[in-house]
Amino acid sequence: AQTVTQSQPEMSVQEAETVTLSCTYDTSESDYYLFWYKQPPSRQMILVIRQEAYKQQNATENRFSVNFQKAAKSFSLKISDSQLGDAAMYFCAYRSMNRDDKIIFGKGTRLHILP
Amino acid sequence: IAGITQAPTSQILAAGRRMTLRCTQDMRHNAMYWYRQDLGLGLRLIHYSNTAGTTGKGEVPDGYSVSRANTDDFPLTLASAVPSQTSVYFCASSPEGGISNSPLHFGNGTRLTVT
Repeated sequence: AQTVTQSQPEMSVQEAETVTLSCTYDTSESDYYLFWYKQPPSRQMILVIRQEAYKQQNATENRFSVNFQKAAKSFSLKISDSQLGDAAMYFCAYRSMNRDDKIIFGKGTRLHILP
Repeated sequence: IAGITQAPTSQILAAGRRMTLRCTQDMRHNAMYWYRQDLGLGLRLIHYSNTAGTTGKGEVPDGYSVSRANTDDFPLTLASAVPSQTSVYFCASSPEGGISNSPLHFGNGTRLTVT
């Protein structure tokens, strides 16, 4: 069974600085999808970025980018120029390419932005 | 506005009572999911449905049941609530189940407290 591990329960970063949230996963599959979701205090779950495992190029969405290391099974999220609105819980998620797929989430990293 | 509607937003329930959490989506998504979110445990899959008329068990299905009579609705029922079911429950949907790179779209959650 697949697992997703976020080893940093909490992190803090100074406003305008860069922060990297780590995520590792365990799978025997060669093709899959990875996602980062953001959950602000409003409780809403918001998709931040996604990556297909067959793509070597790292995904980028404005200030958000990933470092996808397939061999190491690592999928870290980098937030550049951190803003107060980035304060949230961040979840890493794995989606299998099996027909009967399960979407597995990590336990989350709470990110604090220091003004 | 297209999306997922969950009801109620919050509920306090006496142990032993039956409760149905409602979830409706208007995006004509085939796949729907129920997750529970607990502090330190992230999101865990309870049940899912890849298409109307089919359902499957997730990681933590005990004590819960679901039905998928049509595309839009995916109610979650607690037959006899217990305090360990105190949690925030999220309904989510995806255009397809099975092999797909589609992200999940989430409702705003239901906070359930069982006393």
